[in-house]
Amino acid sequence: NAGVMQNPRHLVRRRGQEARLRCSPMKGHSHVYWYRQLPEEGLKFMVYLQKENIIDESGMPKERFSAEFPKEGPSILRIQQVVRGDSAAYFCASHGGPGWDQPQHFGDGTRLSIL
Amino acid sequence: SQQGEEDPQALSIQEGENATMNCSYKTSINNLQWYRQNSGRGLVHLILIRSNEREKHSGRLRVTLDTSKKSSSLLITASRAADTASYFCATVVYTGANSKLTFGKGITLSVRP
Repeated sequence: NAGVMQNPRHLVRRRGQEARLRCSPMKGHSHVYWYRQLPEEGLKFMVYLQKENIIDESGMPKERFSAEFPKEGPSILRIQQVVRGDSAAYFCASHGGPGWDQPQHFGDGTRLSIL
Repeated sequence: SQQGEEDPQALSIQEGENATMNCSYKTSINNLQWYRQNSGRGLVHLILIRSNEREKHSGRLRVTLDTSKKSSSLLITASRAADTASYFCATVVYTGANSKLTFGKGITLSVRP
C-alpha cells in the first residue's frame, strides 16, 4: 500500500498524558500536512511541514502541540498534557509539491479519545 | 476566512437520481477542490478546478466554478448507494509558503437503495 499511513488508528489517553501520532506520507512525497476534525465539522489546518522544516504552523495551538518531520522516519504530531478538548480525529495528508494545484492524499486518521 | 460553505448540509436521494451540492466562498481563490469522506476514513480527492476553468468532468462527476458568484457546484449523476458519504469543498489561495487548503463543514449525502 503506497498510500498515506497513519498510526495508531485509535488512541486513548488520560488527561495529562502525552499523545504521539505518526504519519508516513506517500512514497516520494516530501510535503506533509496535519489537520484536526471535530464531529460534524470540516478539517482545520494545523501545520505544514517539509523534510526537517516547519513551513507553516499557524493552525497549531501555541502550547502543548508540536510537530516534526525528520530526515528519516515518519512525521510526528505530539500533544503534551492532553485535555478533554483534544479529543478529535487527526488527519495527515501529503503531496509531492511544489505547487498548490495538486491534490492532497489523506491517511485514514488517528481518533484520539481523552478520558 | 477563505472557508467554503457547502449547501445543503444534508441531502437524501434515491439511487439513480442526481445529487447537486453547492459551495460558496468569500474571496478570490486560485483553485477549488472537492473531496469525499466515507465514515471513519480519510478524505479522498475527487476533482480540482482552477480559477480560470469553468467546468470539469470526471466519470459521473461534474464540477462547475463561477468566480463572479464565488461559488462551485458538484453534480453526481446516476447516484449509487456507494456514493453515500460526506463531501467537502476546499479552497486554495496562493500566499507563498502559507498557502493552505481551507475546508467547509461538508455535506452529508445519503443515497437510498
